[in-house]
Amino acid sequence: AQSVSQHNHHVILSEAASLELGCNYSYGGTVNLFWYVQYPGQHLQLLLKYFSGDPLVKGIKGFEAEFIKSKFSFNLRKPSVQWSDTAEYFCAVKEGSAGGTSYGKLTFGQGTILTVHP
Amino acid sequence: DGGITQSPKYLFRKEGQNVTLSCEQNLNHDAMYWYRQDPGQGLRLIYYSQIVNDFQKGDIAEGYSVSREKKESFPLTVTSAQKNPTAFYLCASTAWETDTQYFGPGTRLTVL
Repeated sequence: AQSVSQHNHHVILSEAASLELGCNYSYGGTVNLFWYVQYPGQHLQLLLKYFSGDPLVKGIKGFEAEFIKSKFSFNLRKPSVQWSDTAEYFCAVKEGSAGGTSYGKLTFGQGTILTVHP
Repeated sequence: DGGITQSPKYLFRKEGQNVTLSCEQNLNHDAMYWYRQDPGQGLRLIYYSQIVNDFQKGDIAEGYSVSREKKESFPLTVTSAQKNPTAFYLCASTAWETDTQYFGPGTRLTVL
């Protein structure tokens, strides 16, 4: 069974600091990769996803992630965080096809809580 | 408004009682999912359904049951056999063309 590991449980930053959240997965085949965010009191929502193509993926709110196949990693980055980025972030992996058109199970990491101080 | 609704937002039950959590979507999605979220453990898949009248166990199905009689609805029953039912439960659905899961607001179940 595949597994997903997020390196940090809680990250604390000041506004304008750069952010990188680590995500590693164990599955060796084709994967579809996702980052979700859960703001306090809100729905879990999609930040960005990777199915195929350019391994550098840009998402909403200035976030980006890089898929490095050789390292089984999909780290999330943002050059300058804001107080409003305070949330819990989840990496998720699905065994998939390059086209991404198949229903399947998502395996989630443990989550990283990001706290940004103004 | 299109989306996924879960009700109620908060639910309290006594130990030994079965309880059913509602999940409805009007997005015309074929696949629906139930997850359980516990602090520090991320989301874990309980059950999923790719089509009406069919569903599969996820990673932690013991003590739970589901039905999928309508495309729009995927209720989850937490039975008295579930040893640790207090948790936050999330429902999700997926469209074939995007293969991206969209989540409801969740139900926080507390068993006293």
